[in-house]
Amino acid sequence: KAGVTQTPRYLIKTRGQQVTLSCSPISGHRSVSWYQQTPGQGLQFLFEYFSETQRNKGNFPGRFSGRQFSNSRSEMNVSTLELGDSALYLCASSLVQSSYEQYFGPGTRLTVT
Amino acid sequence: AQSVTQLDSQVPVFEEAPVELRCNYSSSVSVYLFWYVQYPNQGLQLLLKYLSGSTLVKGINGFEAEFNKSQTSFHLRKPSVHISDTAEYFCAVTEAGGYQKVTFGTGTKLQVIP
Repeated sequence: KAGVTQTPRYLIKTRGQQVTLSCSPISGHRSVSWYQQTPGQGLQFLFEYFSETQRNKGNFPGRFSGRQFSNSRSEMNVSTLELGDSALYLCASSLVQSSYEQYFGPGTRLTVT
Repeated sequence: AQSVTQLDSQVPVFEEAPVELRCNYSSSVSVYLFWYVQYPNQGLQLLLKYLSGSTLVKGINGFEAEFNKSQTSFHLRKPSVHISDTAEYFCAVTEAGGYQKVTFGTGTKLQVIP
């Protein structure tokens, strides 16, 4: 069974631009969660989607948004990029909900210059 | 709201020696607990989880952890480490039941010395 895939793997953007990251969960998994990982803040929860509905949201500004499609694929968008948004963005999929078990993708490394 | 603390940011240990990575959590309700491992330039991989039942949980790669409710701890152990265990280890907690967000600790870097 194929694992969680994230595209692109690496991205370089300029301050003020926007970016869209994509995540394809494991086949049959209906829940997708997003995390931001930085050396200073560690792993921080962004949001979780299940059946196209946002179930939980972390403490991030409204510039961070996401959505999930009917095939469970998910995208997250960051508008008006700031230098502090440079991070590894991890996507994780779960069969039903993240609180049981999560399978992580390799992440997208975003660098904002 | 729950929280999790990993007191040791780095743990050096010689190859074939035992290791314990500490994790303490805080929550006013029942919890689920997890340990994940992250190898360089990769995502996280689940090592083991505690949902209910036996407090001693065995995971992959020879790791095990013990849930101690009175001490609110979930320490990870391995009796004999290998070079390949060099990685960062994350403890995580979530409130049991329903759609609850998972909170991760700050991670412990395990460095196995040959």
